[in-house]
Formats: sequence, C-alpha cells, structure tokens
Amino acid sequence: DTEVTQTPKHLVMGMTNKKSLKCEQHMGHRAMYWYKQKAKKPPELMFVYSYEKLSINESVPSRFSPECPNSSLLNLHLHALQPEDSALYLCASSPPAQRLLPGELFFGEGSRLTVL
Amino acid sequence: KNQVEQSPQSLIILEGKNCTLQCNYTVSPFSNLRWYKQDTGRGPVSLTIMTFSENTKSNGRYTATLDADTKQSSLHITASQLSDSASYICVVTEANDYKLSFGAGTTVTVRA
Repeated sequence: DTEVTQTPKHLVMGMTNKKSLKCEQHMGHRAMYWYKQKAKKPPELMFVYSYEKLSINESVPSRFSPECPNSSLLNLHLHALQPEDSALYLCASSPPAQRLLPGELFFGEGSRLTVL
Repeated sequence: KNQVEQSPQSLIILEGKNCTLQCNYTVSPFSNLRWYKQDTGRGPVSLTIMTFSENTKSNGRYTATLDADTKQSSLHITASQLSDSASYICVVTEANDYKLSFGAGTTVTVRA
C-alpha cells in the first residue's frame, strides 16, 4: 500500500466552486509534488515544495493554488476551474537526495477530478 | 520533443505469455532510470531502478535492462498474469538538477 495518502479519491465540482485536494505523508520526506495526469498521458509536473517552500511552479494557472502547511501535508486549492482541468491529480513525495537515489518518487493513489 | 520515448504504445498478450517493453531516452547527463507500474486510476508504483553501472535489475517477474551507451532500456514481464494489466512508465532522472522526464507509457492488457 502507498504511504502517501490523498483525499478525496473522487471529486466532482462546478466551475464556480472552491474545493481542495489533500495529501499527507509520514515518511519524513521533505519534498512534495503535485502532478496532473490526463488519460493515457504521463504525469505532468505542476508544483514542487522543498522543505515547505515552493521551489517549482511549472507555469500553472492561478486557479490552482498549492499550500504546504507543514512537512507532512500538501494541499491544492481549486477555484474557478475549467472542464479541461478534469484529470487525475497525483501527489508524490521524495526523501532528501542524499538518502536515496535522486528522483525517487512515492506517489499517492490520486484524486480523480471532474469539472462540470 | 520528449526526451523519453516508449514503445509499443499498447499491447495485448495472453495470460502466461512473456512480453518486452522498450524505452529509449536522450536525457543527459544521466542519473538513473525507473520503471513504474500504474493501474488505471491509481498512482504509479516503482518496479525497478537502475543507475549507469547497472545492466539488469529484477523484481519478481519483472526484469529491467539498461544499456547506458545506447540509451535504451527494456522491461520484460515473464509469465504474465491478469494483474499485470496496467500502464508501464519509464522515468529518467537527469543528473545535476534531478529533473525527471516521463515516457508516455505502454498500456499492457493481459487476457485470459
């Protein structure tokens, strides 16, 4: 079983709604990621937090707002989304690079988002 | 242009048969290569990881190979089972800045 927990597993929202996706890990990892994955496509990186600070934002629209309240939690706040934002949103975490080979990602099960 | 190309895009095999998936990459400098298995609607799970000096790595019925000179990797599935039906994604990590490059994946369908 994955040690990265995402909630909710499924979310349906309208274009005017405000919702949040949540991600939690207790492995002591200090880097956490949000990926967006469309059907039959590889995951696309959205945000990276390193030691609770936003280190990478891959030009994601402002209707997606990440938040890292502490080293174990990562949120993705959603507001005024478009139908094309419907996708599987994956959270991942990774340990400090010196402990394992770089790029080691532990993924959550994902949150399936549908925007009506 | 994607730096990681996988083939075939999809394949169908009968239960009990073997299959081989291919991954070619241009990522440089190279750090490591991972194969992930992703069940439909679920998050990817790591199967194997190989560094520059490793030629082969096994995980149960999954065996990955790496030729760092030609920048090619393969994933071999032996005696396939219905539970092997999934997408298999090749991910290459770039040295220095640890950037990850994802392949588009190969969708494997195992039929009884």
